[in-house]
Amino acid sequence: RKEVEQDPGPFNVPEGATVAFNCTYSNSASQSFFWYRQDCRKEPKLLMSVYSSGNEDGRFTAQLNRASQYISLLIRDSKLSDSATYLCVVNSRSQGNLIFGKGTKLSVKP
Amino acid sequence: EADIYQTPRYLVIGTGKKITLECSQTMGHDKMYWYQQDPGMELHLIHYSYGVNSTEKGDLSSESTVSRIRTEHFPLTLESARPSHTSQYLCASGRGGSPETQYFGPGTRLLVL
Repeated sequence: RKEVEQDPGPFNVPEGATVAFNCTYSNSASQSFFWYRQDCRKEPKLLMSVYSSGNEDGRFTAQLNRASQYISLLIRDSKLSDSATYLCVVNSRSQGNLIFGKGTKLSVKP
Repeated sequence: EADIYQTPRYLVIGTGKKITLECSQTMGHDKMYWYQQDPGMELHLIHYSYGVNSTEKGDLSSESTVSRIRTEHFPLTLESARPSHTSQYLCASGRGGSPETQYFGPGTRLLVL
C-alpha cells in the first residue's frame, strides 16, 4: 500500500462548482499534513496546512480525520484559475521528511 | 515568493556526460531536499540535508550525489548521465519545526540522449 493515496482524477467541473478531494495515509505516526498545488510543468506550492480542528482559507477548507487516517480538501465556487494538480502531503515525525501523494488533477471549465 | 533558484532550467545532454544541477536559497534554511518527478507521477525524495556537511539518501535510490558545503547551496551531481536519468529534478528548502513548510525551486528538466 502506498503511504499517501489520492484519487488521480481528473475532476472536470464547471465554474462555480464545489469539488472535494480525498486522501488517505498509511502511517499512523504522521504528525503534519498539507495540501500543495502544482500547476502544469511548474513546481509545487503550499496551498494550506491541515490542522486537527480543520481550517479554512477563503474558498478552501481542509479537514483531517486521524482515526480514519483521512484528509480532505473542499473547494467552493471553483474558478478557472483553480485548474491544477492538488498534492496531498504528509510528514512523519519518525522520518522527518515529506511524503507526496501522486496528486488529483482538477480542470475547471467555463 | 520563495527565494530558491535552480540552474539550468532545461538541459539536454549526451550519455556519459557529467552534470551538476545547481540549487541555491537565500532564506537561510537549514534543510534542503532534492526530489525527482516524472510526468504525471509523484515526487520522490532522492537526497536531503539538515545542514552544512550533512547529506542523506532519500526514499528513491539514485545514482546522483550531493554536497552541502554552504548553507545556501545544495548541488546535485551525476557522474555519468544515462537516458534513465531523464526526469524533472526539484530542489526544496525548509526551516524545520512543526509543521515544516517546504519551498520549491522551479526545477530542472533533464533530457539525456
